Amino acid sequence: TQLLEQSPQFLSIQEGENLTVYCNSSSVFSSLQWYRQEPGEGPVLLVTVVTGGEVKKLKRLTFQFGDARKDSSLHITAAQPGDTGLYLCAGPNAGNNRKLIWGLGTSLAVNP
Amino acid sequence: DTGVSQDPRHKITKRGQNVTFRCDPISEHNRLYWYRQTLGQGPEFLTYFQNEAQLEKSRLLSDRFSAERPKGSFSTLEIQRTEQGDSAMYLCASSLWGESTDTQYFGPGTRLTVL
Repeated sequence: TQLLEQSPQFLSIQEGENLTVYCNSSSVFSSLQWYRQEPGEGPVLLVTVVTGGEVKKLKRLTFQFGDARKDSSLHITAAQPGDTGLYLCAGPNAGNNRKLIWGLGTSLAVNP
Repeated sequence: DTGVSQDPRHKITKRGQNVTFRCDPISEHNRLYWYRQTLGQGPEFLTYFQNEAQLEKSRLLSDRFSAERPKGSFSTLEIQRTEQGDSAMYLCASSLWGESTDTQYFGPGTRLTVL
């Protein structure tokens, strides 16, 4: 069974701090997606990582896919209150249906 | 707007009533997924379509739930004889099967409250 574990579960930091959140599995994924979700809204796609070792940057957010494609990290530089939200990682299962397997998310609060 | 849209955004109903939700995917996407999400959990897979064919239904989807995608474009999810346990956020996502990343893009969701 493919599982994704995210850590930490909760994170509360001050504006301007840096942080890293993790998404780990014992299984290989063909790709991993990172989403950000706000209360009452659907997940919004941030990035898809596909190649082992790949690094993608989205302004102050840096995403890395592990060399073995079993894990990923999200690093935020100089966090701002607007970064507050639930960060979810998800990957397609190995079968043909490609339904997404989800982590439980990291709930981030950035305090002004 | 070329994103995934869902209607209604919120639905409050009494137990025992039927409800229907609509999802309009990104126009060129051939796959459409329905998920359900409760507070503090990641989305749970319910069913998916490739074009108009419903290819898989989760065991979570009881006989009271039915989904259609008649023309391979928009989809509807109907819940008959709603129960309080059906209260959740219902999410729709679409993707382009065959592209390298097969990324799923989500709509804003329909929040169902069953009283």
